[in-house]
Amino acid sequence: GESVGLHLPTLSVQEGDNSIINCAYSNSASDYFIWYKQESGKGPQFIIDIRSNMDKRQGQRVTVLLNKTVKHLSLQIAATQPGDSAVYFCAENLNDYKLSFGAGTTVTVRA
Amino acid sequence: SQTIHQWPATLVQPVGSPLSLECTVEGTSNPNLYWYRQAAGRGLQLLFYSVGIGQISSEVPQNLSASRPQDRQFILSSKKLLLSDSGFYLCACAAGTDYGYTFGSGTRLTVV
Repeated sequence: GESVGLHLPTLSVQEGDNSIINCAYSNSASDYFIWYKQESGKGPQFIIDIRSNMDKRQGQRVTVLLNKTVKHLSLQIAATQPGDSAVYFCAENLNDYKLSFGAGTTVTVRA
Repeated sequence: SQTIHQWPATLVQPVGSPLSLECTVEGTSNPNLYWYRQAAGRGLQLLFYSVGIGQISSEVPQNLSASRPQDRQFILSSKKLLLSDSGFYLCACAAGTDYGYTFGSGTRLTVV
């Protein structure tokens, strides 16, 4: 569910290393999941999505893994770059009208 | 693909003044529309959503209201702003949740 009142978890990663961002979702009936990236002062941008009939999907430098058994979603970023510094949100579809967003993780890339 | 126009980018308003934020959508018809608020360093809080003209669902009781006078226009309003209304307001649209949301660039509202 929403965690709008909480400070966001953080992840610090060395430039060039791989990043893994984790997310626990709430609804076992959710069948569609999305990762968003939000840079400071901007709206969230779509990164990658996955449907519940898959457990892995790859994009450019990003991979999303879905474990329905434990209701866990992860985003892997390969060879993290300074431009990857942002807040990352996972989202699950709750019903026909709404997505539910996770709390978000702030990723900081160290040079 | 969908494009969302949201304005203004920043806004400073005194307590007690009215508010009107507008969002328009291009590239799709009959979208679901959403207003979110984000406090600094916090997550996304859904305020309102709309599945059609004149249809508004409110997620949290508050000092704000929303309207959808046209298919691709979504307006967030307040008659009298409170200090607690400060935040980053985001409009989003979706052709359906199977396609995710497209977000606007947001409005940074500071109530003083």
